[in-house]
Amino acid sequence: EVQLVESGGGLIQPGGSLRLSCAASGFTFRTYSMNWVRQAPGKGLEWVSYINSGSSTIFYADSVRGRFTISRDNAKTSLYLQMNSLRVDDTAVYYCVRDQGYDWGQGTLVTVSS
Amino acid sequence: IVMTQTPLSSPVTLGQPASISCNSSQSLVHSDGNTYLSWLQQRPGQPPRLLIYKISSRFSGVPDRFSGSGAGTDFTLKISRVEAEDVGVYYCMQATQSPLTFGGGTKVEIK
Repeated sequence: EVQLVESGGGLIQPGGSLRLSCAASGFTFRTYSMNWVRQAPGKGLEWVSYINSGSSTIFYADSVRGRFTISRDNAKTSLYLQMNSLRVDDTAVYYCVRDQGYDWGQGTLVTVSS
Repeated sequence: IVMTQTPLSSPVTLGQPASISCNSSQSLVHSDGNTYLSWLQQRPGQPPRLLIYKISSRFSGVPDRFSGSGAGTDFTLKISRVEAEDVGVYYCMQATQSPLTFGGGTKVEIK
């Protein structure tokens, strides 16, 4: 059974930093690309970042480029999102997503507020 | 690629069919010949889950009352007989061209 378990969310002040993690199991992690997708309260889905299986190709949404960094550790079957210079409009549930949406984690809530 | 869904809301009687439309701003046919159009279901308080991929293929464990169709830029999700557990928001999503993009969502509710 595929499992994606996010962690690292919480309440943070504007300008602060958080590092999200996603622990993956139940599939050959090193062979799949991964994404972070977020959902602001009461809103739809917004893609945030993509990383291919070997970390050689990385993309970011315009809204987070220069502030967020995606990475992965295939040996630890884990995906990460380093979020710096957080803004109020980054408040959302952040989902770890396998490849083209095949599996989604439960999400971790990031709240940016003073 | 911009994804547009209609309707925004779909009140349905239990046991009756429901249909959701999705239009993309450009063709979703990939250079490999596949069309990477998927449908996601998000029940209240739950994360999204994949229902349909590549237009019409049901993901593991998805009931056969869900079906997808379409081609090019116009796609449809149909629920043949709505059950109470189908209440939630449905999203179309394209993976033909990076980045992933999503429709705005259609809320399916029981009349």
